[in-house]
Amino acid sequence: DGGITQSPKYLFRKEGQNVTLSCEQNLNHDAMYWYRQDPGQGLRLIYYSQIVNDFQKGDIAEGYSVSREKKESFPLTVTSAQKNPTAFYLCASMAGQGYEQYFGPGTRLTVT
Amino acid sequence: GESVGLHLPTLSVQEGDNSIINCAYSNSASDYFIWYKQESGKGPQFIIDIRSNMDKRQGQRVTVLLNKTVKHLSLQIAATQPGDSAVYFCAELGLDSSYKLIFGSGTRLLVRP
Repeated sequence: DGGITQSPKYLFRKEGQNVTLSCEQNLNHDAMYWYRQDPGQGLRLIYYSQIVNDFQKGDIAEGYSVSREKKESFPLTVTSAQKNPTAFYLCASMAGQGYEQYFGPGTRLTVT
Repeated sequence: GESVGLHLPTLSVQEGDNSIINCAYSNSASDYFIWYKQESGKGPQFIIDIRSNMDKRQGQRVTVLLNKTVKHLSLQIAATQPGDSAVYFCAELGLDSSYKLIFGSGTRLLVRP
């Protein structure tokens, strides 16, 4: 059963703590993405990776970091430098250039 | 569940009617467009796509129309059902990278029983 998994579905953290969100895909896709979504808003690109061991900043990369050590995995760390980390985070993957992106179920992060 | 459409434009239609959701895209040279459906608290789901060498593409109960002259994309849903209630996003392939999609702000579709 192929797809993208994100865990956990809900995550709670105290302000000042770093937190890592998991994203795994078994679709054999080269490219992976992280988006942030706030209520009433569209999707904003945080980071993306076209191949293993390479990634690029998106539109709102400040306060976030990523790694791409394996093709299947693209974890996102929300650091304490991110001023408003509470949001819905979506991971996606894409088979190749010019194709649709497949999305995971999302992780809702709440920082208090 | 999480509501992602608190402040989005809303289209309200009667069950059984046809729905038309519109989107203006930004780059006249974009050559690939997608419509996504996002239900509350879930990730977006692919509905249908279209490339710039076409002006119409049909799927099951859905049709996408592309008007390159005015940079306009529309999604038509036939015989709208309660399960169609969701937020709909259009996306275009970014010009600076064929790996990046640029998403529109979304439209919330409400289906009245």
